[in-house]
Parts: sequence; C-alpha cells; structure tokens
Amino acid sequence: DVVMTQSPLSLPVTLGQPASISCRSSQSLVFSDGNIHLNWFHQRPGQSPRHLIYKVSNRDSGVPDRFSGSGSGTDFTLKISRVEAEDVGVYYCMQGTHWPWTFGQGTKVEIK
Amino acid sequence: EVHLVESGGALVQPGGSLRLSCAASGFTFSSYSMHWVRQAPGKGLESVSAISGDGGNTYYANSVKGRFTISRDNSKNTLYLQMGSLRGEDMAVYYCARETILGGSNDYWGQGTLVTVSS
Repeated sequence: DVVMTQSPLSLPVTLGQPASISCRSSQSLVFSDGNIHLNWFHQRPGQSPRHLIYKVSNRDSGVPDRFSGSGSGTDFTLKISRVEAEDVGVYYCMQGTHWPWTFGQGTKVEIK
Repeated sequence: EVHLVESGGALVQPGGSLRLSCAASGFTFSSYSMHWVRQAPGKGLESVSAISGDGGNTYYANSVKGRFTISRDNSKNTLYLQMGSLRGEDMAVYYCARETILGGSNDYWGQGTLVTVSS
C-alpha cells in the first residue's frame, strides 16, 4: 500500500497567520491518465471529513481561497494563507491513485 | 443537495456479522462509484471498500478482504456493506462516501455509523 506521511502532526497557529502542512507519498501518484490524485480533507471534532482540495491544487466548491494546494512528484503541501478560528481540526491528505486509497496520519491544527 | 445517510451500526460480538446501509439522494446514484471509509475511535481514516456505479467492480482493503462484501441497489439508491467475522480492530465509525465523477477522491461523506465489536 502507498504510505502517506504528513508533517507536522500537531500545528499550533496564531489567528491571521499562515499555516503549512506537508504530505509525502511512498511512490508516485501519477495515474494512468496523467492526473495526480492527491487530495486534502478537513475534519472538525465530531464531524465527517470535508473535501477541500482535489488533484493537488483544485479547491472544491465553497472552499475559501485562503486554502491552496501544491506539489509534484511525491511531495505535496496544503497552505492556509491566514488561519481563521473555523480552520481548527484535523487535516488529512489522501491519495486516490492506487487502491487501496490511503490517508496520511492527520495534522491537528489548533489555535495558540 | 447531496445526502448520504448511513445506518445499521450496532454493538456486535467478536465473530459476529452486521450489514450497514447508506441511503443516497440528491444525485444520480448509479453514475457514481461509492466507498466505505472507517475511522477507529481517536484514529485516522482508512479506506475499506469501493464499488463502481454499475456494481460490476468491487475493491477491498486487505484488512477486510474475504470478510466484508460491498454491494449496491441502484433501484433503491442504497449502498451496503455486509460485514462478517468481525474483530475488535473493525470497531470504528463507518462512513459512506461518494467518489468524484472523474475519480480519485471522495467529495461527499455521510455522518457515519458506529460499529462496536465487544463481548
């Protein structure tokens, strides 16, 4: 199985400041059609995961533009330009190229 | 609006069986592959199983292969997960999730249903 490794696992942030989460895959995520299925999710306590970013850098409908995804090869990044209180929770990267789809361990974002 | 509502979670003894259901609405169910993803208490997310829109292709994580069966009834807009030979490590919240139309991600998730495995 493809191993997804996130860092850091805990990220205390100051409101209004930027935040960045790294995700590394154990192998290439390039699909047969050339797409890279690296996705990001946000899960608040007691809630289901919310789809934020798909195919590395595409924001899902309704996702604020302070969220951005980037990366290539096996290294990917989720950035929040200015953290807001509603951004707390756990962020997961996930690869949807190779079955079984696999998730990173999660990065817990909290306000300092 | 897309809605996914899971049901069927319960307390079951080790070695027991359970069937989960996921009722879908707000989209053309048969056009989408569907997934089951689970989350053990306080842990991360794990893909369990997936099924193509017509039900012809199914996929399983190694941890559940041979014990779980995914299926769907497109006439009822419902996804199922038949779980057998349940183990303690199967205890989790089980989410059904829709796969994106072009594949590669899960864009809508249900609220989850809790499966507890304990004697």
